[in-house]
Amino acid sequence: GAGVSQTPSNKVTEKGKYVELRCDPISGHTALYWYRQSLGQGLEFLIYFQGNSAPDKSGLPSDRFSAERTGGSVSTLKIQPSEPRDSAVYFCASSSRRWPLDTQYFGPGTRLTVL
Amino acid sequence: GENVEQHPSTLSVQEGDSAVIKCTYSDSASNYFPWYKQELGKGPQLIIDIRSNVGEKKDQRIAVTLNKTAKHFSLHITETQPEDSAVYFCAASEGNEKLTFGTGTRLTIIP
Repeated sequence: GAGVSQTPSNKVTEKGKYVELRCDPISGHTALYWYRQSLGQGLEFLIYFQGNSAPDKSGLPSDRFSAERTGGSVSTLKIQPSEPRDSAVYFCASSSRRWPLDTQYFGPGTRLTVL
Repeated sequence: GENVEQHPSTLSVQEGDSAVIKCTYSDSASNYFPWYKQELGKGPQLIIDIRSNVGEKKDQRIAVTLNKTAKHFSLHITETQPEDSAVYFCAASEGNEKLTFGTGTRLTIIP
């Protein structure tokens, strides 16, 4: 079946501009995660959605970042205003949250460059 | 919160030899330990995972061991092949919560 998809694959923008990244999780997966990976680094947790529960926003680096998940499916990560230090690859992952099938499956990522 | 350390950061292995990557974690509540392989320009792909109720798991040439007492787990790749060259990440989580990743190991298989 289809995996996690993310759009756009690559985005270049200027400092101060609004950025919106989209994630389509695997159909039926109730849990959705956002991570980011700076150049040469590991993945850093940003935010986690599980069903209708309040999201875990503990990883968001500042109040310039926000995310939403509509209808329990598609999610968007928003940055306003963007800054050069936000440049990274942003990954989305989803899981079914049903043990032992709770593996997190990652999308291909969105490479964000803020000039 | 959880802290995961991973060693070595780079590893070069002759084709056909074995490769071992080690990780330690800090939170005793962590009970799920996946390993991901990331190729250039792609997202991480799960290659194997282990839960705290077992000490070892194998899948063909790949195995993972877990020592809960010492809070460390290791990835073992035997009979390495050129296509094993990639960056490998270990991670830890409590159940299906957020993953805390190690800093990665760049594995190079020398033909």
